[in-house]
Formats: sequence, C-alpha cells, structure tokens
Amino acid sequence: DVKVTQSSRYLVKRTGEKVFLECVQDMDHENMFWYRQDPGLGLRLIYFSYDVKMKEKGDIPEGYSVSREKKERFSLILESASTNQTSMYLCASSLEGGGGYTFGSGTRLTVV
Amino acid sequence: DAKTTQPTSMDCAEGRAANLPCNHSTISGNEYVYWYRQIHSQGPQYIIHGLKNNETNEMASLIITEDRKSSTLILPHATLRDTAVYYCIVRVVSGAGSYQLTFGKGTKLSVIP
Repeated sequence: DVKVTQSSRYLVKRTGEKVFLECVQDMDHENMFWYRQDPGLGLRLIYFSYDVKMKEKGDIPEGYSVSREKKERFSLILESASTNQTSMYLCASSLEGGGGYTFGSGTRLTVV
Repeated sequence: DAKTTQPTSMDCAEGRAANLPCNHSTISGNEYVYWYRQIHSQGPQYIIHGLKNNETNEMASLIITEDRKSSTLILPHATLRDTAVYYCIVRVVSGAGSYQLTFGKGTKLSVIP
C-alpha cells in the first residue's frame, strides 16, 4: 500500500544537467513537501506546496524550483545540477490542518 | 516552532519498553508534539502526535507532562526492527507556519538482542 512514490531510488547526473525529481501521492493530500537530508545536517525543507499551482520557499530553496500542476504530483527541478546538490531527497505529503506527514522512500542523487 | 532537546543515542534490550524523552520547554499553547522515526535508508515514518492528553496507538504511547514542557515516547515491547532515529518535533497545525515540519538531530535508538 504505497502512498508516496518517488520516481527513482538512485540517480546519477552530470554537473550542469537539468534534473527532475518526481513525487506522486495517492491520498488526496493538499500539502506536499520536498526535503533534502545530509549527514550531520538532518532534514532541511527546500520547497512546499499547499495547493495546485501554489508553492512556498522552505529553508534552502536556492538552486531549486518546483512544479505542482496536479494535486497528486509535486516535482523538484534542479535547473543546473551542481556537486553540492548531491544528497538524499525526500518527498512528503500531508492533509491540510495537521496530522502526520507521509514520506516517500527517497531519491539518492549523485551529481558528478 | 519551539525547539526540542533529545538525547543523542539510547540502547534498549529487545522485548523491553523503550522510553524516549524529549524536552520542549518553550512550547506554546497551540503547538502539538509529533514523533517520527527514520529507519536507515528509508523516509521518516509518522508515529504519533498529541497536544495535552496522553495518546496511544498501535505503534506507541505518548506521555506529555502536565506543564507540556516535556514528553516521552514509549515503545512497549521493543524489537530489532525498532532500531532507528526518533525525532520529536513541535509545531502548530493551523495558521502561519503550520505547513513546516522542522526536524532536529533526533535520538538514535539501538535495540540490543
């Protein structure tokens, strides 16, 4: 009963490439989030969206953009990948007004 | 959101109760206490949350002190599969800032056979 699906588990990209990370949820949640997780730094919020076509910057949005054209899908875009964007990327969703967040399994991105 | 303080690591014998403490002395009246855990190489998993009253579900119990300045997550019969990093988070659930979930460093729980 998979609820938040991230398109790739592992990804290797070259510096300067445009990278798309896709996330789909099947729980009809209003809110969706992108985090990155690095050793010693924990999880940091990149962007979130509380409705279709709506987006808000999190704590570390530089170098990233997002797209939410449909309620169930939230995409993270690295316009020009750099080596310092090598990380584990985690997508999550939640209902409006609280409750638990449901996370995907993560995408481990390596930029070479 | 209020900050939380958790021990860096804890050990627990398999089959025994694991009691994970969290201090949130600056919590405000509209902030809930949430617990998540992250098993190695997986995304975080929601466990439980509460406001004032103690809560219990199929995974764990949450005990919140009367002054709400601290809480304890209890795993009643720890198994090896409960080895994970446990995060205690406080957050508002409506209004400004209600969308963000800020993770700290958490407690690394090791369940020992």
